[in-house]
Amino acid sequence: DTEVTQTPKHLVMGMTNKKSLKCEQHMGHRAMYWYKQKAKKPPELMFVYSYEKLSINESVPSRFSPECPNSSLLNLHLHALQPEDSALYLCASSQPSGRSDTQYFGPGTRLTVL
Amino acid sequence: QQQVKQSPQSLIVQKGGISIINCAYENTAFDYFPWYQQFPGKGPALLIAIRPDVSEKKEGRFTISFNKSAKQFSLHIMDSQPGDSATYFCAARKYRGNKLVFGAGTILRVKS
Repeated sequence: DTEVTQTPKHLVMGMTNKKSLKCEQHMGHRAMYWYKQKAKKPPELMFVYSYEKLSINESVPSRFSPECPNSSLLNLHLHALQPEDSALYLCASSQPSGRSDTQYFGPGTRLTVL
Repeated sequence: QQQVKQSPQSLIVQKGGISIINCAYENTAFDYFPWYQQFPGKGPALLIAIRPDVSEKKEGRFTISFNKSAKQFSLHIMDSQPGDSATYFCAARKYRGNKLVFGAGTILRVKS
């Protein structure tokens, strides 16, 4: 099973709302990722967790707050977002820091900020 | 040094033809080069990947050609089909790194 699941599929939120995106994998991967993807652009890395610890933060604004409760779950907490944060948010997982490690992507959450 | 340059931006190919997408990189620390295929509204899916110790890798209709000295790699899709119409991203990653550096993407349309 090479599946990464993400919920919800779509999310519409106002600028004062607090919401969370969820990601789950059962492949035994110990690295998990959050990416942001704008239309017709490549995915942009936001955060990397390795062995449930935050290892990379690509200077993401604090209104995005990641959390890795266990090795299978990854959350992205959203608060006070701006309309320009509207995008497809992708979760991915892989084995950490090895050669030829495939990153498996989930289907994404389409976020619209009003 | 962190960039991966991808071309063309878009490509139209007749059904049955060969689609070719090219990527170039500068950082010699990159040692893993995957290609991802993405359909509208979906996440990217790994198509095929190569390491620099191999000059070519073929999986079905998809072939990666790798030129280490030129720091270039390309994706060839043989017998292109309308179902191959998607956006293709090349990427690169450093040895033992977690971070993928993506090319800008190529929108492929295969006309039937």
